[in-house]
Amino acid sequence: GAVVSQHPSWVICKSGTSVKIECRSLDFQATTMFWYRQFPKQSLMLMATSNEGSKATYEQGVEKDKFLINHASLTLSTLTVTSAHPEDSSFYICSARGLALSTDTQYFGPGTRLTVL
Amino acid sequence: AQTVTQSQPEMSVQEAETVTLSCTYDTSESDYYLFWYKQPPSRQMILVIRQEAYKQQNATENRFSVNFQKAAKSFSLKISDSQLGDAAMYFCAYRSAYYGGSQGNLIFGKGTKLSVKP
Repeated sequence: GAVVSQHPSWVICKSGTSVKIECRSLDFQATTMFWYRQFPKQSLMLMATSNEGSKATYEQGVEKDKFLINHASLTLSTLTVTSAHPEDSSFYICSARGLALSTDTQYFGPGTRLTVL
Repeated sequence: AQTVTQSQPEMSVQEAETVTLSCTYDTSESDYYLFWYKQPPSRQMILVIRQEAYKQQNATENRFSVNFQKAAKSFSLKISDSQLGDAAMYFCAYRSAYYGGSQGNLIFGKGTKLSVKP
């Protein structure tokens, strides 16, 4: 139980285009989802927190107009990187915390590797 | 603000031996949760073990156990009978038990890369 999926697992795009990453909780309802960014050999950096049906809360320094987060249902959150540039290339990971689960534990997706040319 | 410190960037252990990964944290809160996550080369974050701060008993999960010293704000992970599959990055993480602006997000240390020698 407590499986989180992400799609796509990797994506290559041209500079200036937008990319959407999906995060799904497969066997539980996720009241809260988190989006992280991880650079090579570094720790996870929290970008934003989203609750179903509410606007996301962004961490300081994260551009909300560039990284659009939608949490439209209890099983799906999306991260859209708008007008992507090479500096946006990174590994993006989502996690979810849900109803009927231990509320103190986050379950992570497998991550999405974004490369912007 | 809470911080998590992992002072060992890299560690190495012989297969079947025991290794301890260190983690310290700083907080003014009395109620919180602590976690160890494993990130193998696949980069999938896997929960290894968790500890509730209000519990004095150290958590154990098979070959993994923690030494939780609340007064010292220390939370080390012991891996017994190390296996090749244990090779990974290990992250220590803190989560407040109080919901607020952070909505209970995890605060991670910088990680310790564990190598297991056959």
